[in-house]
Amino acid sequence: QKEVEQDPGPLSVPEGAIVSLNCTYSNSAFQYFMWYRQYSRKGPELLMYTYSSGNKEDGRFTAQVDKSSKYISLFIRDSQPSDSATYLCAMTYSNNDMRFGAGTRLTVKP
Amino acid sequence: KAGVTQTPRYLIKTRGQQVTLSCSPISGHRSVSWYQQTPGQGLQFLFEYFSETQRNKGNFPGRFSGRQFSNSRSEMNVSTLELGDSALYLCASSLVASAYNEQFFGPGTRLTVL
Repeated sequence: QKEVEQDPGPLSVPEGAIVSLNCTYSNSAFQYFMWYRQYSRKGPELLMYTYSSGNKEDGRFTAQVDKSSKYISLFIRDSQPSDSATYLCAMTYSNNDMRFGAGTRLTVKP
Repeated sequence: KAGVTQTPRYLIKTRGQQVTLSCSPISGHRSVSWYQQTPGQGLQFLFEYFSETQRNKGNFPGRFSGRQFSNSRSEMNVSTLELGDSALYLCASSLVASAYNEQFFGPGTRLTVL
């Protein structure tokens, strides 16, 4: 079993839809949870960062962490074609050794 | 402020050769981490350097090594290349290496081993 599980998709939605991306994990020591977005031929860029359990909102993006269920989510409201990318969840416990999910490829169709 | 730069961007090598990849972090960043990204395994942590010292190492064979210079620039080396080493190698820099610090990724070096 992988330490971090993420459905690789692909996921295709119409413009304006609400997108839900999820990851589960097995290591209860993880404390820092991140979502990265990666466009083709680019390195990942940080979208959201959450420490421990709870919700965090930034514009159209909301990150949720449920440590009791070992489950994290990213919601994208009013999705745009420019949101088309691969979304990677990542987590770590105490340092920069991040563990990544496989990434979900999202396409938002105009 | 310039981002993380990696050179070269693309590289083609044959089995058995060795390769050196270079990473220049964002100015002022002292921690550099390296990752391997493949379609099958995703992003996997290779190692992290801070103040010229390797602080953490992932689960990769000894053929993978790295170093960091006094100006925080870093290189990684892969010896005796295998076909399975074909991947996108990503470098990420952060200010320090304690607890969690936002890592900024470079565009990566795409290595193809024939």
